[in-house]
Amino acid sequence: GNSVTQMEGPVTLSEEAFLTINCTYTATGYPSLFWYVQYPGEGLQLLLKATKADDKGSNKGFEATYRKETTSFHLEKGSVQVSDSAVYFCALLDSGNTPLVFGKGTRLSVIA
Amino acid sequence: SAVISQKPSRDICQRGTSLTIQCQVDSQVTMMFWYRQQPGQSLTLIATANQGSEATYESGFVIDKFPISRPNLTFSTLTVSNMSPEDSSIYLCSVEGPLNTEAFFGQGTRLTVV
Repeated sequence: GNSVTQMEGPVTLSEEAFLTINCTYTATGYPSLFWYVQYPGEGLQLLLKATKADDKGSNKGFEATYRKETTSFHLEKGSVQVSDSAVYFCALLDSGNTPLVFGKGTRLSVIA
Repeated sequence: SAVISQKPSRDICQRGTSLTIQCQVDSQVTMMFWYRQQPGQSLTLIATANQGSEATYESGFVIDKFPISRPNLTFSTLTVSNMSPEDSSIYLCSVEGPLNTEAFFGQGTRLTVV
């Protein structure tokens, strides 16, 4: 079956540090890949996505590249801010009319 | 894109009671998905609701506890029955866009059972 594995948290970084959150997946088909973010006390928001191999999704300074050869979709940001403190979820969507499959989430805390 | 209106946005309920959560989509969709997010956890799929047939439940979830209705292609309800404090979670409904390139979520229902 389909699954998503992302690095365990929590991750604590100083402001302006480089961020990587690893995500790998297993899928029977050719999935679309997503990163969602959940800020404290808020709902789930789509951060970025990629729908085919070598696509790069980007938003708010975050980037992730769909790597089919390594089945990965790692999230990166060059310089994090305190406002980036949140929980980040990697997810995949396989063939039509199947549900999103989520990773367990990685909590990021950025300190000034 | 699809816009989902989910309500209530939050509720505090007494144990032993039931709460029905509604999701209205602004377009017709085949499948609607219901998720639960327990405190500090990821999203777990409860069931898939297909119009005109019984919902399909994931392991660990049963119809008696989480009955689902899907009367038409734009609407679904999830009921959390005979609630206990362990049911305190965020409940979300979701639909998918064409070509499995995107998923859309309701705003979520934050449920607290006391």
